[in-house]
Amino acid sequence: GAGVSQSPRYKVTKRGQDVALRCDPISGHVSLYWYRQALGQGPEFLTYFNYEAQQDKSGLPNDRFSAERPEGSISTLTIQRTEQRDSAMYRCASSPRGATWLAQYFGPGTRLLVL
Amino acid sequence: QQPVQSPQAVILREGEDAVINCSSSKALYSVHWYRQKHGEAPVFLMILLKGGEQKGHEKISASFNEKKQQSSLYLTASQLSYSGTYFCGTAPNDYKLSFGAGTTVTVRA
Repeated sequence: GAGVSQSPRYKVTKRGQDVALRCDPISGHVSLYWYRQALGQGPEFLTYFNYEAQQDKSGLPNDRFSAERPEGSISTLTIQRTEQRDSAMYRCASSPRGATWLAQYFGPGTRLLVL
Repeated sequence: QQPVQSPQAVILREGEDAVINCSSSKALYSVHWYRQKHGEAPVFLMILLKGGEQKGHEKISASFNEKKQQSSLYLTASQLSYSGTYFCGTAPNDYKLSFGAGTTVTVRA
């Protein structure tokens, strides 16, 4: 079946603009995670959803970052008033349930470049 | 708390073995291992739950010592396809993974 998909794959924006990154999880997966991955580093947890409920947003860097998953499927990560330090690879992952005895399946990521 | 992986990088010839270690300062519920090839998404390899079990995937296996809060990944008789960056993800609770900085493995013919 189809894996996790993300769009856009690349996004170049100017400082101060808002961006919205989309994640479409594996069909039927209840849990969805957003990560940020810097070059040469492992994924860094941002936020986590079970169905439409945002269970944990402790990893969001500041209040310019927000995420939603209104119908329990597709999720959007929004960054307002982007800054150059926001440049990174943003990945989402999905899992059948929110339990760490289950694998997380990562999407291809959105490479964000803020000029 | 991010787990610590060692070594940072390893270079192997085809057929050689390697061990990658992952240590955490926190009590762990589970350890995940992923492999990421350049420009691609991390791909799930295996999960180990507390209990000291060992698991295998092709000629890649892993162990988990919950008392020492450590896991090790064993690459046996390495193949060219094993090249990539290996990440361990540790879980102190029931959903949240913290990933190490990765170990880059290069297998040469």
